[in-house]
Amino acid sequence: EVQLVESGGGLVKPGGSLRLSCAASGFSFSSHSMNWVRQAPGKGLEWVSSISSGSSYIYYADSLKGRFTISRDNAKNSLYLQIESLRAEDTAVYFCAREVGSGGYYPDYWGQGTLVTVSS
Amino acid sequence: SYDLTQPPSVSVSPGQTASITCSGEKLADKYACWYQQKPGQSPVLVIYEDNKRPSGIPERFSGSNSGNTATLTISGTQAMDEADYYCQAWDSGTVFGGGTKLTVL
Repeated sequence: EVQLVESGGGLVKPGGSLRLSCAASGFSFSSHSMNWVRQAPGKGLEWVSSISSGSSYIYYADSLKGRFTISRDNAKNSLYLQIESLRAEDTAVYFCAREVGSGGYYPDYWGQGTLVTVSS
Repeated sequence: SYDLTQPPSVSVSPGQTASITCSGEKLADKYACWYQQKPGQSPVLVIYEDNKRPSGIPERFSGSNSGNTATLTISGTQAMDEADYYCQAWDSGTVFGGGTKLTVL
């Protein structure tokens, strides 16, 4: 069974930083690209970033480039998202999701999410 | 950047057919997917590659993609189908539509 478990969220002051983690199990983690997607309270899904299986290809949403860094450790079956200079508008549930597809890529399995709240 | 547009809300009576559209430039040149999200839950993939259903998704969910519009169709809509639905396509990264709230009343 595919399982994705996010952690690392919490209450952070504006300007602070945070590292989110996603522990994967039940599939060959090193064979899949992975995504981070966020959802602000009461809002829609917003794609944040994706990383290829071997970390060779990394993409970020244009609006978020510069403060977010995605990485992975295939030996630990783990995905990470480092967020710097946090702002109130970064408050959201952050989901990690496995990516599949050929020709068109899409997330198929999602974790339960971890809540990041940015407030003083 | 590539944009996908969905209607904010769609209403349907139980047992009837609900159609949710997703519009994007030459969307048919890409694959479209659809996700269902209920309050407090993670999104669930219900349609991938325009019209394929993952294992465990009821047959009443179907999809199509032509021209600039992808459509999610729910036949014989049930109360349990009330949820937010998001379309997705890939364009140098994942793009989501703004979401459609489906109300079954």
